[in-house]
Amino acid sequence: ETGVTQTPRHLVMGMTNKKSLKCEQHLGHNAMYWYKQSAKKPLELMFVYSLEERVENNSVPSRFSPECPNSSHLFLHLHTLQPEDSALYLCASSSRTGEGNTIYFGEGSWLTVV
Amino acid sequence: QQPVQSPQAVILREGEDAVINCSSSKALYSVHWYRQKHGEAPVFLMILLKGGEQKGHEKISASFNEKKQQSSLYLTASQLSYSGTYFCGTARSEKLVFGKGTKLTVNP
Repeated sequence: ETGVTQTPRHLVMGMTNKKSLKCEQHLGHNAMYWYKQSAKKPLELMFVYSLEERVENNSVPSRFSPECPNSSHLFLHLHTLQPEDSALYLCASSSRTGEGNTIYFGEGSWLTVV
Repeated sequence: QQPVQSPQAVILREGEDAVINCSSSKALYSVHWYRQKHGEAPVFLMILLKGGEQKGHEKISASFNEKKQQSSLYLTASQLSYSGTYFCGTARSEKLVFGKGTKLTVNP
């Protein structure tokens, strides 16, 4: 059990659906992240939020829309996805961004786009 | 800049040793090591913050050669529980960028 919880753990959606992934951290951290992990690629950083402000958008397509309403919660809104977006989406948090800060991962949400 | 890990995969028998390397074409300011088991989240192993630093946890240790822009993870007397994919990550600014991972399989 980690201090970062993600829901749902598994999601199957059609290309025309709109869904959201939710992440909650119970560690009192100020930074939160979305990573994508697929069979073909390593852990890819998607977004970074520090104190609820987005500080990094790693050239992610607009069909992925993050939202960070407070320092404990992070969402990833999904719409009109493609089959190649099927992957494991990992949320993570750290006390702050920058060098030397350990990142703690959630268990991930497995997304399948059909 | 994504760090480069080698080898891509290692198969060991229980009790054998392994070394996983992580290198970067740019200066490394810190190196993070994680292990991920299939279907689970990556788990933090250790972080090295300065050149020459060495750390260890049980029979897993790591070194950081800042000048060579390289870090190595040493697994000694491997156990079945060591199986998984090992990732190194390098931190620059707000980013923690990971290598492609090294898949370690420990067989009885």
